[in-house]
Amino acid sequence: AQSVTQLDSHVSVSEGTPVLLRCNYSSSYSPSLFWYVQHPNKGLQLLLKYTSAATLVKGINGFEAEFKKSETSFHLTKPSAHMSDAAEYFCVVRSGTSYGKLTFGQGTILTVHP
Amino acid sequence: GAGVSQSPSNKVTEKGKDVELRCDPISGHTALYWYRQSLGQGLEFLIYFQGNSAPDKSGLPSDRFSAERTGGSVSTLTIQRTQQEDSAVYLCARGGGSYNEQFFGPGTRLTVL
Repeated sequence: AQSVTQLDSHVSVSEGTPVLLRCNYSSSYSPSLFWYVQHPNKGLQLLLKYTSAATLVKGINGFEAEFKKSETSFHLTKPSAHMSDAAEYFCVVRSGTSYGKLTFGQGTILTVHP
Repeated sequence: GAGVSQSPSNKVTEKGKDVELRCDPISGHTALYWYRQSLGQGLEFLIYFQGNSAPDKSGLPSDRFSAERTGGSVSTLTIQRTQQEDSAVYLCARGGGSYNEQFFGPGTRLTVL
């Protein structure tokens, strides 16, 4: 069985300050982990992926995430928030087969204030 | 884009009617997935197709839901006798990339009155 817990349903930051979106996972197998972003009335876009090649993963738009097996975490960070980062972010796990289904967290809504 | 188109973009139907939702991925990708996104349940897996293997239907919520994939490309999700709780955005994704990442279409917003 696999599951994902996003620890914050809402995060609010000021433009130019760091972003931290927290995610913990549970997986019976060596997981693949992903972060997706969904802007209002838009589709889901893949931000980055962890697939065991490296624990620190860089994605698009300056985001990165670090896989910590001992903490079963995969937190998403960005050094400096931009207004365009305002969106909903989903932490996602896939266990076992590379063709397996994705299990989504409940999402974190990021608000960026000017 | 993500290389997945879905139609219609919006569908309004009356309770009890049947609906068909279509997903059309760019060619050459064997894996295709359906999910739905609703306010109460978040994003849930429904079904996936991979090549000629039997589809994984483990996420379908009831026998009113079915899906097929013809010719290894276009897929149709059918909901029979729709209920108000079926109202959601239905998302289709194709597998791709070096680790079979999933790339999502824009979705079909279904409203059951």
